[in-house]
Amino acid sequence: DQQVKQNSPSLSVQEGRISILNCDYTNSMFDYFLWYKKYPAEGPTFLISISSIKDKNEDGRFTVFLNKSAKHLSLHIVPSQPGDSAVYFCAADRNSGNTPLVFGKGTRLSVIA
Amino acid sequence: SQTIHQWPATLVQPVGSPLSLECTVEGTSNPNLYWYRQAAGRGLQLLFYSVGIGQISSEVPQNLSASRPQDRQFILSSKKLLLSDSGFYLCAWRVGGPGNTIYFGEGSWLTVV
Repeated sequence: DQQVKQNSPSLSVQEGRISILNCDYTNSMFDYFLWYKKYPAEGPTFLISISSIKDKNEDGRFTVFLNKSAKHLSLHIVPSQPGDSAVYFCAADRNSGNTPLVFGKGTRLSVIA
Repeated sequence: SQTIHQWPATLVQPVGSPLSLECTVEGTSNPNLYWYRQAAGRGLQLLFYSVGIGQISSEVPQNLSASRPQDRQFILSSKKLLLSDSGFYLCAWRVGGPGNTIYFGEGSWLTVV
């Protein structure tokens, strides 16, 4: 049972345009969400997070939106740059106990110059 | 500042041989430690996590095992590798449990031949 789903395995966007990466979750107990960026043969690096008490969090070119009723979050990158080309993982967390993050399968973003 | 190291970075092992991947965290104490695997098309799969010395939780049945002999040391092992054990293994840590960011190591490529 996949609790965190990233239904688009890949996405291509032109440089300068907006990239929108989507993520859906099924467990209503999740209350903290994170996005990680991963280059080939490297460990994922933390990008941005959002708590369930918010519906938006912005950090520079990156904005994460959370729609709790739809159990959906999205990462917006604007403007997209070639260096943003990577695999992006959505992760969900429960604010209780010691259960680890649950990751989606990732979306490979290609920003075309 | 906190750092995480894992080694070896690359490993080619024959089927049936043993495995030992090691991970250490510096600059923090009593971290939660994790082993993830990234296999093709599978995203980031949690294998083991540990909330303290000698405490190991396994997420998926497999022929791998984990140990935590010291507070900041996490070891992934196998007595006999299978072809299906090939993948990119990632060690990760965080302090404070849910709601806090998980940080990843550089990863270890394992190819079982």
